[in-house]
Amino acid sequence: AQSVTQPDIHITVSEGASLELRCNYSYGATPYLFWYVQSPGQGLQLLLKYFSGDTLVQGIKGFEAEFKRSQSSFNLRKPSVHWSDAAEYFCAVGAVSGGYNKLIFGAGTRLAVHP
Amino acid sequence: DAGVTQSPTHLIKTRGQQVTLRCSPKSGHDTVSWYQQALGQGPQFIFQYYEEEERQRGNFPDRFSGHQFPNYSSELNVNALLLGDSALYLCASSRSGRAGDEQFFGPGTRLTVL
Repeated sequence: AQSVTQPDIHITVSEGASLELRCNYSYGATPYLFWYVQSPGQGLQLLLKYFSGDTLVQGIKGFEAEFKRSQSSFNLRKPSVHWSDAAEYFCAVGAVSGGYNKLIFGAGTRLAVHP
Repeated sequence: DAGVTQSPTHLIKTRGQQVTLRCSPKSGHDTVSWYQQALGQGPQFIFQYYEEEERQRGNFPDRFSGHQFPNYSSELNVNALLLGDSALYLCASSRSGRAGDEQFFGPGTRLTVL
């Protein structure tokens, strides 16, 4: 069965510290992988995506993620966190059926940033 | 260029009632997907519409139905509301919904069922 696991429900970091959010997926074929961010009262914004090729993907707002097939992981990283990064982060896999995709999301990781 | 818009922003209904949520896709997009996000959980796929037809569906009962209009806007209808239907309902649009297409999300409609 296709699934996404985000092991950390809540993470707190200090402003300026580095960040890594974990994501593990279960999918039979080569996955399409996404990271989205959701701020209170807003919809989901795409941070980055992996389809194929280079396993280190750069995204917006200084985020990057690394696809590791052997570990079925797609962890999100940022070298220096800003207070404005406080939000909920969702990892998702694009499940393809008949050529059309739907997104399967993890439960999310809520990030708090201390000044 | 307007992004994905949804209405209303918030809605309060009672058990057994029916509700209709609306979504206008991003300009140039013809595919609309609907997701349900319960409190503290990630979004779950409800269904996807393309060319006014439901193209694929998630694991939701028939109480959840939808419609897509010729201008690509879409409605989500939920009949016989249950307390468990309380959630944020997200609409996402894409160019074709094919594998790899980016989905753009609206701000959502917060539905509360009392």
